Amino acid sequence: SQKIEQNSEALNIQEGKTATLTCNYTNYSPAYLQWYRQDPGRGPVFLLLIRENEKEKRKERLKVTFDTTLKQSLFHITASQPADSATYLCALGYNFNKFYFGSGTKLNVKP
Amino acid sequence: EAGVTQFPSHSVIEKGQTVTLRCDPISGHDNLYWYRRVMGKEIKFLLHFVKESKQDESGMPNNRFLAERTGGTYSTLKVQPAELEDSGVYFCASSPPGDEQFFGPGTRLTVL
Repeated sequence: SQKIEQNSEALNIQEGKTATLTCNYTNYSPAYLQWYRQDPGRGPVFLLLIRENEKEKRKERLKVTFDTTLKQSLFHITASQPADSATYLCALGYNFNKFYFGSGTKLNVKP
Repeated sequence: EAGVTQFPSHSVIEKGQTVTLRCDPISGHDNLYWYRRVMGKEIKFLLHFVKESKQDESGMPNNRFLAERTGGTYSTLKVQPAELEDSGVYFCASSPPGDEQFFGPGTRLTVL
């Protein structure tokens, strides 16, 4: 079965720096990969989707890359702010029937 | 526009009892998904509806779990009888065809 690895240790960075989160997977590459943000006590909130034929996707201060050779996606938040502090989840999809989630990485942005 | 709503927000039941969770998707969203997150683990897929039809239920743990989506609107997830390992947070999400999922706040289920 598909295994998804996100760094279980919290990422602590200073405000204004770029945060980079990693999502690695085993086995076959997904058709697309999504990134979500989750705050305590709330459901995940969709941020970005990148397809297998796309190398990079941007949205405001967010950037996602997808390398099917390395079986890895990187999620970047530039000019990070304390309000960006949350847990970030990656999710792999092979069709729109079923999704596999990573366990998430907690990001702490310090002022 | 209202988002995905789930009821109840919390449920505490005894082992062996029955619990029914409800999800109201965003109006017009044909796709409805159920997920579960047990303590310390990742969010796991349970099943997917397209309108009233089950498209994929491969993530349902066992036959103690029954999901329905009458009329293709709201959905219920019944656990009968509940076991200790069923404790966790149950999320519902809805989406238009081939688009991003909108998640509800989740129902925290505790089985004692």
